[in-house]
Amino acid sequence: DAKTTQPNSMESNEEEPVHLPCNHSTISGTDYIHWYRQLPSQGPEYVIHGLTSNVNNRMASLAIAEDRKSSTLILHRATLRDAAVYYCILRDVDQGGSEKLVFGKGTKLTVNP
Amino acid sequence: KAGVTQTPRYLIKTRGQQVTLSCSPISGHRSVSWYQQTPGQGLQFLFEYFSETQRNKGNFPGRFSGRQFSNSRSEMNVSTLELGDSALYLCASTSGQGGKTQYFGPGTRLLVL
Repeated sequence: DAKTTQPNSMESNEEEPVHLPCNHSTISGTDYIHWYRQLPSQGPEYVIHGLTSNVNNRMASLAIAEDRKSSTLILHRATLRDAAVYYCILRDVDQGGSEKLVFGKGTKLTVNP
Repeated sequence: KAGVTQTPRYLIKTRGQQVTLSCSPISGHRSVSWYQQTPGQGLQFLFEYFSETQRNKGNFPGRFSGRQFSNSRSEMNVSTLELGDSALYLCASTSGQGGKTQYFGPGTRLLVL
């Protein structure tokens, strides 16, 4: 399973941008980069995904390096509700269409008021 | 649409017993995956069911099993419980066509005494 490396924890202040890095040097050409987050006492929640180009949605932006060996999740204005563990995942889909998410340890984001 | 539901939310069992957990996917979703989350090992993939067939399996002992019904609801069973089986068990559903976002339920927290 392809691996990702993330910092164990990061801190941010409310209403400031947050850049969460992820290294995935063993990524293959067909791997999508997914980000999920897990709020306390909840199941993981999809945030964003991308393949090669930068992506934006209402929750966040995803910046992918040109060589695809790293990516950065950007929360443009952190709120207290964004405090969570953020997981960077390389999506593994086999020939039968089965997909499993291989979670690393993730980054625990603390947002200070 | 209603989200993924899991029952029960909390469960206490003793060593040697067996347990059955239930997951109802989002309406129209045909794939259900199960994950185990522990403080030490993090989130680990157990197995995936699609159209009542196990399509993918993680690296867990045979004590962990599952099934899926014709309405896509899924159950997982753990026999001969061990203390180390104490964990949060999460299920996630997707449409089943590879590459789709997984939607997680809130999980069942199992405590084995």
